[in-house]
Amino acid sequence: SQELEQSPQSLIVQEGKNLTINCTSSKTLYGLYWYKQKYGEGLIFLMMLQKGGEEKSHEKITAKLDEKKQQSSLHITASQPSHAGIYLCGADRRAQKLVFGQGTRLTINP
Amino acid sequence: NAGVTQTPKFQVLKTGQSMTLQCAQDMNHNSMYWYRQDPGMGLRLIYYSASEGTTDKGEVPNGYNVSRLNKREFSLRLESAAPSQTSVYFCASRQGPINYEQYFGPGTRLTVT
Repeated sequence: SQELEQSPQSLIVQEGKNLTINCTSSKTLYGLYWYKQKYGEGLIFLMMLQKGGEEKSHEKITAKLDEKKQQSSLHITASQPSHAGIYLCGADRRAQKLVFGQGTRLTINP
Repeated sequence: NAGVTQTPKFQVLKTGQSMTLQCAQDMNHNSMYWYRQDPGMGLRLIYYSASEGTTDKGEVPNGYNVSRLNKREFSLRLESAAPSQTSVYFCASRQGPINYEQYFGPGTRLTVT
């Protein structure tokens, strides 16, 4: 099983609706990263969370880190077609390695 | 700044052929990484280089070799390509070992027939 489990694996929402993607770790979280990948392209860094309870926002995207639950959530408010893509969470592990979840594929319907 | 660049963007190989994927970054980052991305598997680390002159195995190193040529460049070599190595390969770099975001290249789509 994956060290980082993302849910849901895919999500289809109507434009303008809110949505949440979750990332749950089987190990203690020290640093948690969110990336967005457009189909067929590289990953774009969104946010990094380091402390329990930390919350960061960028435009209409908000990410939170719940250290006790070993979980992070990514919330998009009033979704737009530009939000479509694959969202991946990543976490620092020992020896400088970064592990990733399997990704959540987001589709926005007009 | 170009960020992280990768060449080639696409490649088709026959089983048993060899090739080298090139990666360069112009951000003066210390750490560089090679990942492969397969459907349903997410990103898996192949090799990484914490600093110039050092390389270490990641999660799926078998069938690959790497060279950290200098601080800017980190290449990935397939000595004898196999169909199981069909994948999208991403190079990434970051300033330090932890608590720094990774910057990714655009990827190389490799097909081995």
